[in-house]
Amino acid sequence: EVQLVESGGGLVQPGRSLRLSCAASGFTFDDYAMHWVRQAPGKGLEWVSGISWNSGSIGYADSVKGRFTISRDNAKNSLYLQMNSLRAEDTALYYCAKVALGEFDYWGQGTLVTVSS
Amino acid sequence: EIVMTQSPATLSVSPGERATLSCRASQSVSSNLAWYQQKPGQAPRLLIYGASTRATGIPARFSGSGSGTEFTLTISSLQSEDFAVYYCQQYNNWPLFGQGTKLEIK
Repeated sequence: EVQLVESGGGLVQPGRSLRLSCAASGFTFDDYAMHWVRQAPGKGLEWVSGISWNSGSIGYADSVKGRFTISRDNAKNSLYLQMNSLRAEDTALYYCAKVALGEFDYWGQGTLVTVSS
Repeated sequence: EIVMTQSPATLSVSPGERATLSCRASQSVSSNLAWYQQKPGQAPRLLIYGASTRATGIPARFSGSGSGTEFTLTISSLQSEDFAVYYCQQYNNWPLFGQGTKLEIK
């Protein structure tokens, strides 16, 4: 059974940093690209960042470019999102998602990030 | 930059009736389009990929069509569990979601 479990969310002050993790199990992690998607309270889905199976291809939404860094450790079956210079508008539930052919076939339950003073 | 536009924002339909949701891309995404269903407090669930292929375990009442810039998700006979928010997503380039359509009970 595929499982994706996010962690690392919490309350953080504007301008500070936070690192999210996603622990994957039930599939061969290093065969698949992975992504982060967020959802602000009461809003729609926003793609944040994606990384290929070997970290050779990485992309970011314009809203986080230069502040967020995605990475993965295939030996640990883990995906990460380093978030720096956090803003109030980064407040959201952050999901990690597994890619199939391009679509996201499995999602975690999310970890909540709240940016507030 | 691609823009994904879903319509309508809210759709009111009675149980047992057909629902038709639309998604438009500002430039061609070929057939690299997926549909997701999201219920309150839950993660999104993949319904359709490749514009028209149902994901594993998705009932046959869900169907997708279209290619290029115009796409449709049709739910042939609405069940109570189908009332939710639906998102389209292109993955021809880095992914991008539409703003969602809320399907509510009429």
